[in-house]
Amino acid sequence: NAGVTQTPKFQVLKTGQSMTLQCAQDMNHEYMSWYRQDPGMGLRLIHYSVGAGITDQGEVPNGYNVSRSTTEDFPLRLLSAAPSQTSVYFCASTLRPGVYGYTFGSGTRLTVV
Amino acid sequence: QQQVKQSPQSLIVQKGGIPIINCAYENTAFDYFPWYQQFPGKGPALLIAIRPDVSEKKEGRFTISFNKSAKQFSLHIMDSQPGDSATYFCAPEGGATNKLIFGTGTLLAVQP
Repeated sequence: NAGVTQTPKFQVLKTGQSMTLQCAQDMNHEYMSWYRQDPGMGLRLIHYSVGAGITDQGEVPNGYNVSRSTTEDFPLRLLSAAPSQTSVYFCASTLRPGVYGYTFGSGTRLTVV
Repeated sequence: QQQVKQSPQSLIVQKGGIPIINCAYENTAFDYFPWYQQFPGKGPALLIAIRPDVSEKKEGRFTISFNKSAKQFSLHIMDSQPGDSATYFCAPEGGATNKLIFGTGTLLAVQP
């Protein structure tokens, strides 16, 4: 049981490049979320999904796209990377919000130069 | 709008001390009150959680106290150890929304 797996662990992008951060979970969790963590800002919700085919915006969605074609996978796409997107990104999932708590991946550290 | 205010931002205690971290919320629909623990370079991990039908819950050295009328809940760490040094986040849940909003975090340092 791997839990929540994020790849890559580290990435450096040039301004304007695009990339996809991968997130996969093997716990059959319906609910998945993406967060970014910046010093002094805590964890801020980017996008979330309540099941395959259903996604919604969080607090800071601009510059990011998501899709959810399967229960297991929830990729986060950066369309045109900007230095302001330099951050640590975490994916999280739960079987049911408000009941079981969330399981987090180990994060992707992204630097945009 | 959901707002979660966590205090203090940082905390230094001596080994064996009892750090207390507080979380205040506004949304009265919240019905699940967890604390997450995060070590450097790792993702947050669920530490302990409480529901509003009880005022206190203990798991080992960690205790949550809940004050429904004040819309606050707190994390107490008994006999704190250097290995407890981490960042702690509250993230209350419930109501009609599926969004999970975190407090800004408390950086705890337990000195030997």
